[in-house]
Amino acid sequence: AQRVTQPEKLLSVFKGAPVELKCNYSYSGSPELFWYVQYSRQRLQLLLRHISRESIKGFTADLNKGETSFHLKKPFAQEEDSAMYYCAPSSGGSYIPTFGRGTSLIVHP
Amino acid sequence: KAGVTQTPRYLIKTRGQQVTLSCSPISGHRSVSWYQQTPGQGLQFLFEYFSETQRNKGNFPGRFSGRQFSNSRSEMNVSTLELGDSALYLCASSQRQGTSYEQYFGPGTRLTVT
Repeated sequence: AQRVTQPEKLLSVFKGAPVELKCNYSYSGSPELFWYVQYSRQRLQLLLRHISRESIKGFTADLNKGETSFHLKKPFAQEEDSAMYYCAPSSGGSYIPTFGRGTSLIVHP
Repeated sequence: KAGVTQTPRYLIKTRGQQVTLSCSPISGHRSVSWYQQTPGQGLQFLFEYFSETQRNKGNFPGRFSGRQFSNSRSEMNVSTLELGDSALYLCASSQRQGTSYEQYFGPGTRLTVT
């Protein structure tokens, strides 16, 4: 069965500190991996995909196939990064995502 | 570009009734996906439509169905509503070109089943 785990429900850091939101998955084949973000009172939005290998709003995510992880990282957190973050692997070749339960990131001033 | 729109934004129905929700994608996007969000189950993928055809389907009972029109607008229908169908229903439109992918979500329809 496809599974995705975001072990932290809540992650609290101070502005300027590094942040890592963890995501572990159990998926057959070669999944495509996504991170989504939802800021307070805003729509859910796609943050980044592992295929694009890009940095969005200072966030990067590295796929570790050996550990089956896709952690989201940012070296210096900003207050505006406070939001709910969802990891979502999707079956390779088909878009059928499985969402994690989400991690609420709070960045204190 | 105008964003993804969903109508209605709020809906209250009674058990046993049926409901139809509508989603208008971003102009030029041919793919529309639907999701259910509840406190208990979190975010779950319902189905995806592309060029009027259901391309992918999540693990939901047959009471949940959808369709897509030639202008890419999509509707989802839930028949014989149950209390557990109370949720925020999100739709998203997307476009994939080569390795490029963009996806935008609507504001959601909040369905309450009493």
